[in-house]
Parts: sequence; structure tokens; C-alpha cells
Amino acid sequence: AQKVTQAQTEISVVEKEDVTLDCVYETRDTTYYLFWYKQPPSGELVFLIRRNSFDEQNEISGRYSWNFQKSTSSFNFTITASQVVDSAVYFCALSERNNDMRFGAGTRLTVKP
Amino acid sequence: ETGVTQTPRHLVMGMTNKKSLKCEQHLGHNAMYWYKQSAKKPLELMFVYNFKEQTENNSVPSRFSPECPNSSHLFLHLHTLQPEDSALYLCASSQFSAGETQYFGPGTRLLVL
Repeated sequence: AQKVTQAQTEISVVEKEDVTLDCVYETRDTTYYLFWYKQPPSGELVFLIRRNSFDEQNEISGRYSWNFQKSTSSFNFTITASQVVDSAVYFCALSERNNDMRFGAGTRLTVKP
Repeated sequence: ETGVTQTPRHLVMGMTNKKSLKCEQHLGHNAMYWYKQSAKKPLELMFVYNFKEQTENNSVPSRFSPECPNSSHLFLHLHTLQPEDSALYLCASSQFSAGETQYFGPGTRLLVL
């Protein structure tokens, strides 16, 4: 069965600090997909990234970067030089080849000015 | 309109009312989803439609009745709801089902009195 754990319930940082959001997953499938979504106060989940299990390359997009490590079943998300607009709930999710997406409980990030 | 739209954005209803939530996607996708997000709870998948056929019903009470007349539209019919059904209801769509990126609408915030 697929499972996603986001152990950090809430994180608070001051603007310009770097912050890492942890995501640990469980799956028996060899083919699977990992996702990160951002949910600002407005409520809509905004897609950030999708990675498949065969691509362990880390990815950087502006201030965002993702570290995928199959050896530790982790897919961590780092925001560099955080800004107030980064304040949101961030969800990690896992989808196996033949199963629907399973979301973690989310991490609420607050960036203070 | 682009992406995934949902109406209404806010809804207050009594326990004896009947109402419907509407979702429309303009992305040419073939799969659509209903999720429920309660305060301090993970996202709960309710229903999945793939090519207009329901492929998942996650033990949802019969007071929630989905309808998918075509690949672009999804409805959630509500009747005799309970106060604990108050939540944010999110609609999403994806190209196909398992493994694909889901794109979310802004949600309908429902309050049952």
C-alpha cells in the first residue's frame, strides 16, 4: 500500500531563510510518481513538480529545489531565500502505476517578514 | 476560462436542503476527481471518473451523489447532509488516471448548518 508521511506539521521561518520540507514515502511498486503541491490560503492546490521513480536527478526551479533519494524513500523540497508569499500548506503526494494519488498530511509553512 | 473551475465558491445549506456542486475542466483531460478537505485532516479522495465512468468510490455516504455527463463536467449532488460534512470540496482533473498530474480547481467551501 502506498503511504506518504510529512512529519513536520508546521514550520515558521523568517524571510530570506532557507527551509526544507520533508517527505517520506512507502510503496512496493517499482514504478511510481511523486508530486509536490502548494495550497495558499485561497484553497486551490497548485502543482509544483512531478517526478517518476526512474529519474533521481535533483531539480531546481528558481528558489525551489527538490531532492529525490530512493535509498531513503524521500522526496524533500527546499525553498531558498524564503518570501512571505511562500506561506502556504505544502503537500507531498505519491501515485503508483495503477493507483490513485495519495497525499501526505501537509506542512504549514509560515514565512514572517 | 482556463484550467479547472468550480461553482459555487461558497455554499451554506441546511441539513434538509439539496444542492449541487459543479466542476468544469478546460484542459481536455479524461479523468476527474472529487476530494474532501476537512480542517486538520488529510485530503480524502471521494470519487474518480475516467472517460465518464466511475472507477473509484471511496466508501462515501450515499448522501453524496456524483454525476459525470461528459469528460469536461463533474457534479456532486448533496442531500440531507450532516454538519460534519462541512469542508472544502476540491475538484481535479488529469489526462488519464493513475500516475498523472492532477490539476485542481479553487474548491467549494461548504458549511452545513
